Amino acid sequence: QVHLQESGPGLVKPSQTLSLTCTVSGGSITGRGYYWNWIRQRPGKGLEWIGYIYYTGSTSYIPSLESRLTISVDTSKNQFSLRLRSVTAADTAVYYCARKDSGPTALDYWGQGTLVTVSS
Amino acid sequence: DIVLTQSPVTLSLSLGERATLSCRASQSVYSNYLAWFQQKPGQAPRLLIYGVSSRATDIPDRFSGSGSGTDFTLTISRLEPEDFAVYYCQHYGGSPWTFGQGTKVEI
Repeated sequence: QVHLQESGPGLVKPSQTLSLTCTVSGGSITGRGYYWNWIRQRPGKGLEWIGYIYYTGSTSYIPSLESRLTISVDTSKNQFSLRLRSVTAADTAVYYCARKDSGPTALDYWGQGTLVTVSS
Repeated sequence: DIVLTQSPVTLSLSLGERATLSCRASQSVYSNYLAWFQQKPGQAPRLLIYGVSSRATDIPDRFSGSGSGTDFTLTISRLEPEDFAVYYCQHYGGSPWTFGQGTKVEI
C-alpha cells in the first residue's frame, strides 16, 4: 500500500521560501509512469493543483506560480519536494502531495496534508 | 487553461435521495481525463471516479460518472450518511490541471 507523508515548517515569514517534502513509502518514486504532484487548499477554499514532477524528471507547473516554484525529486530518499520562493500571506494553505499513475487513472494516493502559514 | 464550473454550489438533500452534480468545462477535456473527488472536513480528498466513468478502488457502486466533451455529471444514486461532503471535479488531460470550485452536498 502506497503511503505519502508531507513534512516541513508550519510557519514561514513573508518574502522567504516555503519548503516541503513528501516521503513516499510502499513503492518506488522512480516507478515508471508516475506523476508526483503538489496541490494546495487555502483556508475555506477549493483545491488548487500546483504542479508535478514526472518519473522522467520533467515538470509542469501552474502558470501563476511558475516563476517562484520548483518541484524536485530525491530518489535516494524516495522523496519529492516543493520550494516556493518569495511567499506572501496568499500562499497560506494546506499543502497536499499526491500520486498519479500512468494512463487514465487520476490522483489516487494523497498525503494527509500540512498547513503552512505565512506570517511575520 | 481549462476552467471547470461546478453546479450547484450547494445541494441540499435527504438520506436516500439521488444527487446529481454537474461539471462544465470551458473547452473539451482531452481523452476524457476527468475525475471526481470527495472531501470531508479535515481530510484529504479521496478519488471517486477517473476517466469520466471508472470507479476508483473500493468506491461503492452508488457513485457513477458520465459525460463527454465539456459536460460531465457525478450521480450518487441513494445518499448515505457518509456521502455528505464537498465534491470536486478535476481535469488532467493537459497542463495545467485544474479543479472545479466544488459542490457541497448537505442534509
